[in-house]
Order: sequence, then structure tokens, then C-alpha cells
Amino acid sequence: GAVVSQHPSRVICKSGTSVKIECRSLDFQATTMFWYRQFPKQSLMLMATSNEGSKATYEQGVEKDKFLINHASLTLSTLTVTSAHPEDSSFYICSAREGGLNTEAFFGQGTRLTVV
Amino acid sequence: AQKVTQAQTEISVVEKEDVTLDCVYETRDTTYYLFWYKQPPSGELVFLIRRNSFDEQNEISGRYSWNFQKSTSSFNFTITASQVVDSAVYFCALSEVGNQGGKLIFGQGTELSVKP
Repeated sequence: GAVVSQHPSRVICKSGTSVKIECRSLDFQATTMFWYRQFPKQSLMLMATSNEGSKATYEQGVEKDKFLINHASLTLSTLTVTSAHPEDSSFYICSAREGGLNTEAFFGQGTRLTVV
Repeated sequence: AQKVTQAQTEISVVEKEDVTLDCVYETRDTTYYLFWYKQPPSGELVFLIRRNSFDEQNEISGRYSWNFQKSTSSFNFTITASQVVDSAVYFCALSEVGNQGGKLIFGQGTELSVKP
């Protein structure tokens, strides 16, 4: 299947700093990418839908100024956690669709963010 | 509104037993897609199956089988002759045609533990 690469896989940062997470579709073009957040032992919660060349659509309750999403090309979307705090510590995972709804969403490996 | 319910939070079986993971969904759309994903301890989501709302045929893939029943809004997943390597968290997900880009709504997940 198609490959989605997410980097870094783990990151530890200090409170108040910003962290950027990259999501790349390696062998296909993804007009739409999704960012999810997963707390331990919980389900994946959609944070935002990222469309190439336009502003991301955020889910209710997600702070767009805190979680900056940029989808600069058909193969790259980035999530920047700004002014991170310990409560932002979580598992962040991206996904990308190769085509329309009749195609599966391929997921990146996930990024475990720890804010100390 | 769309919703996916996986009532079984945790299931524990002994190797070689058959196990069924339940998934019940809610949607107002007549066209939608259902998915199952496996999340091993490494965190990466592994795609298992995609089913569209117009195809109620059951599917079998090796030891895996899926039973889609629109009448009860269920999309259950059965593992036959379970193995220790099947231990993981399994997520059922729904994607509606009306949702922008086809975002996935996940169930709460079922943690399957297969003991030797």
C-alpha cells in the first residue's frame, strides 16, 4: 500500500517551545491530509483536515493558533505545536488519502510528544 | 450525527480461540464507508479493510472475516484461530461522503489480548 512517513517519531521539548511534526506521502499525491491526536488508551480524535494550498479546517475545540497546520505541497503537511505545555503531551498521527472516499486512508507512524 | 461505538473495551482470549470484535455505527448518509484498523504497541495504524455502504457481502481474508449488516448498523470483525501476534488495539471507523475530504470517525477501540 501507499506509504505515509511521519517525522519525528518521538520528541521531547521544554514548556514554552514549539515543535514541528512533518507528514509526507512518499509515493502518492495527497490533496487531503488529516491530523489526529490520541491520548493513552483512548481513541483517535480528529484535530483538523488539511487541504493543499488552503487553510486547514479545524474540529470544534481545537485551537488553531496553538496547532498550526500547513499543507504546502501535495506530499507534505506539517503540524506545529506552538508554546507547548505538558498537557499537549500526546501521540499525534497523520493520515492521507490517495484518492477519493473509496480509498483507504494511510497513516503515518505517529509522533509521541512529551513536553517537560 | 455520525458515531462509531465499540462496546468491548478489552477482550482476552487464549491462542487458537475465535474472537469477534463488535462495531455499531450511526450515520444519516446513505453513502458511507466503514473501516477496520489495527494498532499494535508500536502505535502505527495498519489498514485491514474498507467496505462501502452498498456492498453488504461478507468478506474473508485468511483468518479475518467481516460481517456487515446494514439492518443493525453493525460491522463486526472476527479473527479465527487467534494468535499472539493478533494482540493489539482494533479500531472501527466511519467515513461519510458528506464530510469534507472524507475524514474518519473512530470508535473507542477494542484492546485484544491473545495469551499463549
